[in-house]
Amino acid sequence: QQKVQQSPESLIVPEGGMASLNCTSSDRNVDYFWWYRQHSGKSPKMLMSIFSNGEKEEGRFTVHLNKASLHTSLHIRDSQPSDSALYLCAASGTSSFSKLVFGQGTSLSVVP
Amino acid sequence: NSKVIQTPRYLVKGQGQKAKMRCIPEKGHPVVFWYQQNKNNEFKFLINFQNQEVLQQIDMTEKRFSAECPSNSPCSLEIQSSEAGDSALYLCASSRQGANSDYTFGSGTRLLVI
Repeated sequence: QQKVQQSPESLIVPEGGMASLNCTSSDRNVDYFWWYRQHSGKSPKMLMSIFSNGEKEEGRFTVHLNKASLHTSLHIRDSQPSDSALYLCAASGTSSFSKLVFGQGTSLSVVP
Repeated sequence: NSKVIQTPRYLVKGQGQKAKMRCIPEKGHPVVFWYQQNKNNEFKFLINFQNQEVLQQIDMTEKRFSAECPSNSPCSLEIQSSEAGDSALYLCASSRQGANSDYTFGSGTRLLVI
């Protein structure tokens, strides 16, 4: 059973601070990683995806991927209260029938 | 506003009753997924379709859950005999074909079984 583990379970950061979220897959066949953000009462929205080793930056958000360890991390700099949400990591294999497997999420609270 | 349309937003059913929810995928997305998100935010994959054909489904889906994606009609997920443990947010998502295609989620149907 493919599992995606996220840490920490919850995180509180001050406004303007850096939030760092982690995610690891236990399935060696995983090839693609996504980060979704889900505000309370809303549907998940895709934030960033990463498929190759290394780093990808979009505005205040940076994701890293280490394929050897199947570990990805999401870093949010200059965190804002509007970033408070559930952050979900998801992974899938290379088969065209592959489905996303989601982690249990990290609940981020950015406090003024 | 999501490009994946789910109805109804809320559904309240008694135990043993049928519960049916619908999903219109994003235009141009041939692949449709149903997930159950419980109160602990855990996602459970239920079933996925490519066009009208089932690709994968879990055992739970095979027994009490039924789903279809007919051409030119909304996709649907139906629980034949609702149980208290089915209370959850049911999320429909659609994507283009290909393992590296991201999902567009609908707003979900929140089911409460009393």
